[in-house]
Amino acid sequence: AQSVSQHNHHVILSEAASLELGCNYSYGGTVNLFWYVQYPGQHLQLLLKYFSGDPLVKGIKGFEAEFIKSKFSFNLRKPSVQWSDTAEYFCAVKGNTGRRALTFGSGTRLQVQP
Amino acid sequence: EPEVTQTPSHQVTQMGQEVILRCVPISNHLYFYWYRQILGQKVEFLVSFYNNEISEKSEIFDDQFSVERPDGSNFTLKIRSTKLEDSAMYFCASSGLAGNTGELFFGEGSRLTVL
Repeated sequence: AQSVSQHNHHVILSEAASLELGCNYSYGGTVNLFWYVQYPGQHLQLLLKYFSGDPLVKGIKGFEAEFIKSKFSFNLRKPSVQWSDTAEYFCAVKGNTGRRALTFGSGTRLQVQP
Repeated sequence: EPEVTQTPSHQVTQMGQEVILRCVPISNHLYFYWYRQILGQKVEFLVSFYNNEISEKSEIFDDQFSVERPDGSNFTLKIRSTKLEDSAMYFCASSGLAGNTGELFFGEGSRLTVL
């Protein structure tokens, strides 16, 4: 079975600070990895995804994530956060068994202070 | 931009009552899902639906739950006899046929409060 761990439950940063949110997954085979964001009062939106190829993936709004297979990690990064990045961030994994459903982590609440 | 819509946005019900949550997936999508998120906990998979039948379900999706696509556009989740622990945000999602790696598009959620 696949699982996802997000170790940071609540992160508070000042604007312009750099961000790194941790995500580790557990799955024995090939995976597809996702980061979703949920802004206050809104639905889950895809930030970026990794399927294959370059392990450094760039997404929307200046976010990127790096897939490190040896560490089973897919950490999310942004060099300089803005107040508008305040949201909850979810890492998700899908194994290559044919199952289409995603397994989500518990989420990280990011609060950016102006 | 096409989106997944869910109704109601918030429902309050008494324990033991039946609840139906409704979703309109993106029109050309073929795979549909329900997830839930209990306050402060992770987003949990409930069920996936394809070709008018359940393709996968989790251990949470017991006999109290059912899903239906009654008219080709709506996708509903029914909870037959609600329990206090069913209080959660329920998210509907859909995906297309972009290989096996298709992105899931989520609705804004329906908050269910069971008293």
